Amino acid sequence: GAGVSQTPSNKVTEKGKYVELRCDPISGHTALYWYRQSLGQGPEFLIYFQGTGAADDSGLPNDRFFAVRPEGSVSTLKIQRTERGDSAVYLCASSLNALPGWDTQYFGPGTRLTVL
Amino acid sequence: KNQVEQSPQSLIILEGKNCTLQCNYTVSPFSNLRWYKQDTGRGPVSLTIMTFSENTKSNGRYTATLDADTKQSSLHITASQLSDSASYICVVTPYGGSQGNLIFGKGTKLSVKP
Repeated sequence: GAGVSQTPSNKVTEKGKYVELRCDPISGHTALYWYRQSLGQGPEFLIYFQGTGAADDSGLPNDRFFAVRPEGSVSTLKIQRTERGDSAVYLCASSLNALPGWDTQYFGPGTRLTVL
Repeated sequence: KNQVEQSPQSLIILEGKNCTLQCNYTVSPFSNLRWYKQDTGRGPVSLTIMTFSENTKSNGRYTATLDADTKQSSLHITASQLSDSASYICVVTPYGGSQGNLIFGKGTKLSVKP
C-alpha cells in the first residue's frame, strides 16, 4: 500500500472490555513496531516484530497487552481488561528491515483509544 | 538514567521567521540521533538522522546540528511556513541498543501564525 494504515482511527470502550487494534504495514516491510503515545509525550515503545516473530516485547506494560503478526504482514495489538490508564494513541510503524535505530520507520496515523 | 530533554515545550512564531529547537541528551554512547515531525493526528515522519560523527544534516528548510561533546542537538527551521506547525521529536539510539532502547523526547510543539 501507499503507507501504513491503522484501524479503527478511534475506539471508545468501557473499562474491563477487550479491544483489538489493527495495523497494515507498507508492503514488503519486514519489521513492524507498536508504540503508545500519551498527550504531550513522545511515543513509548511497546513491541516490534521481525517477520512473524516478536523480536523485542520489552515495552509491553503488563500481560494484558499482547500482539501478533501471524503472516508477517498485518499485526493486531490486543488489550484485555482495559483500564482508564490505557487511554492513548497507539501508533504502528514499519520499516524495510529492522536495523535497530537505523532503519527509517514509517508511521501510521494511529488509533486513539479512549477507555471510559 | 538515559534521557532526552527538549526545549522549549512549545513555541509560537510568525510565518517567514526562523526558529531553533533544542534537544539535550544524556545517552552515551549513542549510535544516532534523529528528528521527527509529527503533525496533529498523524504519525511522526523522519526529517534527519545523524551519527555521532556528523555535525550537521539538512533536509530542505530543516537543518539539524549535533555537538556530541556537549550532548546537544538543535533543529533549525528557516523561513517558516504555516505547514511547519507540528510537534518536533528528538530520538536517540543508544549504541548497541535494541529497538526497545530508543529514547524519545517529549517534543516541542511549534505553531506558525500568519
